[in-house]
Amino acid sequence: GAGVSQTPSNKVTEKGKYVELRCDPISGHTALYWYRQSLGQGPEFLIYFQGTGAADDSGLPNDRFFAVRPEGSVSTLKIQRTERGDSAVYLCASSLNRGGRETQYFGPGTRLLVL
Amino acid sequence: GESVGLHLPTLSVQEGDNSIINCAYSNSASDYFIWYKQESGKGPQFIIDIRSNMDKRQGQRVTVLLNKTVKHLSLQIAATQPGDSAVYFCAEGFGQNFVFGPGTRLSVLP
Repeated sequence: GAGVSQTPSNKVTEKGKYVELRCDPISGHTALYWYRQSLGQGPEFLIYFQGTGAADDSGLPNDRFFAVRPEGSVSTLKIQRTERGDSAVYLCASSLNRGGRETQYFGPGTRLLVL
Repeated sequence: GESVGLHLPTLSVQEGDNSIINCAYSNSASDYFIWYKQESGKGPQFIIDIRSNMDKRQGQRVTVLLNKTVKHLSLQIAATQPGDSAVYFCAEGFGQNFVFGPGTRLSVLP
């Protein structure tokens, strides 16, 4: 595709529910990143995939958060037992190769609201 | 821990004037820097990048300056336009890590 796409664009859920957020990276990009952005803050790193494997998941806040990228393209961020503090914009980015020296291209984000 | 920060959280500029947005970083191992623009309701949009072996890089109406001695990065926007109004983030890359600063809001006054 022309850019990174994310679905849904908005998600409202109740505390305790399970949610899945989807990211379609730019075609051919092997690296994929998830970030979380709270209001008035910069994006905060969550997890980075190189191909199918999670190369760095040090940013995941706790074990309620999990992400997969089974075929090395589309990725899903999964949040179990959602809490109100999980409300944020979840951004996905992709880059051609790997690492902090590649330009990352961002999707529009999924706005998650936990009631 | 290492962090990226900004001197000014908000900046108001008259349309047509030049804008300068500043950023301080603390990790001397960072060797790649990017400026992103984020408009309301959208994801960050790449503006310009610079590697640590350079001290200046120019794009269309934008210039990024890197001063490694004082760990300072700036974004200069020439002839600022209303469409430049947004939040601007600097980010530093080192190894596989990529860290964003908190952002500066640029408001362009008519």
